[in-house]
Amino acid sequence: AQSVTQPDIHITVSEGASLELRCNYSYGATPYLFWYVQSPGQGLQLLLKYFSGDTLVQGIKGFEAEFKRSQSSFNLRKPSVHWSDAAEYFCAVGTPGGGADGLTFGKGTHLIIQP
Amino acid sequence: IAGITQAPTSQILAAGRRMTLRCTQDMRHNAMYWYRQDLGLGLRLIHYSNTAGTTGKGEVPDGYSVSRANTDDFPLTLASAVPSQTSVYFCASSGDRVLFFGPGTRLTVL
Repeated sequence: AQSVTQPDIHITVSEGASLELRCNYSYGATPYLFWYVQSPGQGLQLLLKYFSGDTLVQGIKGFEAEFKRSQSSFNLRKPSVHWSDAAEYFCAVGTPGGGADGLTFGKGTHLIIQP
Repeated sequence: IAGITQAPTSQILAAGRRMTLRCTQDMRHNAMYWYRQDLGLGLRLIHYSNTAGTTGKGEVPDGYSVSRANTDDFPLTLASAVPSQTSVYFCASSGDRVLFFGPGTRLTVL
């Protein structure tokens, strides 16, 4: 079975600074990878996804993520954060052909933006 | 297009009571899911349905049941609620291998 680890429970970043949120997965082949964002009191919104091809994927709100097979990682980045980026971020892994049982989520990283 | 709607938005429930959380989607997705979200534990899959008429168990199915009479609706029932079922519940559907989430139901069992 697949699994996802987000090593950082909380991250604090100053507004305007760069951001990297870490995600490591465990799966025997190339998985489908996702990043979701959850604002307080809201549901989860898809930021970006990787299925195959170019390992650097662009998402909404200026986010990008890079799939590194050798490191089993799919880290999320943003060059300059805004106060509105404060939220909970979830990395998730799905298996090709295994969509019927949904995704496996990491426990999330809480992003705090300092003024 | 509403996407996924859930009802109620929040509920306080006495232990031992029966409760059904409603979920409706208008995207005509075949697959639907119920997750619960708990602090420090992330999202955990309760039940899923590949298509109308079929359901399956996820990671934490005990104490919950689901039905899928048609494509649009996927209700989650707690037959006899217990305090450990206090959580935020999210319904989701899957299209093009992407999960779309509803706004959630905050349930408190006292």
